[in-house]
Amino acid sequence: DTGVSQNPRHKITKRGQNVTFRCDPISEHNRLYWYRQTLGQGPEFLTYFQNEAQLEKSRLLSDRFSAERPKGSFSTLEIQRTEQGDSAMYLCASSPTAPTGNQPQHFGDGTRLSIL
Amino acid sequence: AQKVTQAQTEISVVEKEDVTLDCVYETRDTTYYLFWYKQPPSGELVFLIRRNSFDEQNEISGRYSWNFQKSTSSFNFTITASQVVDSAVYFCALSVSGSRLTFGEGTQLTVNP
Repeated sequence: DTGVSQNPRHKITKRGQNVTFRCDPISEHNRLYWYRQTLGQGPEFLTYFQNEAQLEKSRLLSDRFSAERPKGSFSTLEIQRTEQGDSAMYLCASSPTAPTGNQPQHFGDGTRLSIL
Repeated sequence: AQKVTQAQTEISVVEKEDVTLDCVYETRDTTYYLFWYKQPPSGELVFLIRRNSFDEQNEISGRYSWNFQKSTSSFNFTITASQVVDSAVYFCALSVSGSRLTFGEGTQLTVNP
């Protein structure tokens, strides 16, 4: 049973560059979530997918951010024209859909983004 | 809007002490789910427990126990006979829509030998 996989683990880039992160969920999970976590804070929700459909986006997800899950399997999160404030840990999680109730979300190790 | 408050930013105990982590939540929904996650120094969030709003029965799992009280909107977590390996940041989280988790700011627990 492989867990949620995120790549890369670390990304260092210059301000203004574009970056893309990848998340591979647990294979039988059809829900996929992105969160952002800054130092000393709890994770903050960004967006989530049910299969390939993006069902909810946070107001935190500015127009510089875009997420896709084209075939309902892996997902990518792209940040265009990165800014200093984008420095954070980007977490991906997945869960199955249950007939009733919320299934727990299982998290990957995250991608740590540092903007120079 | 939903909100989770973990008033204890840091707790330090000596091994074998019992420790309780507090969590207070706010929501207007009558159906909701509460969670606890552990984030060790390695960084990965590890799921510990889920509770729905209709089940106030307390739960015990080994050295861990959880006390859910709707009357005070609290979902507290107790570790009995703490161990050094329990050192981590613990997050309480709330979900009402079946999608997003709203996390508290976390409690850093340090267990000293």
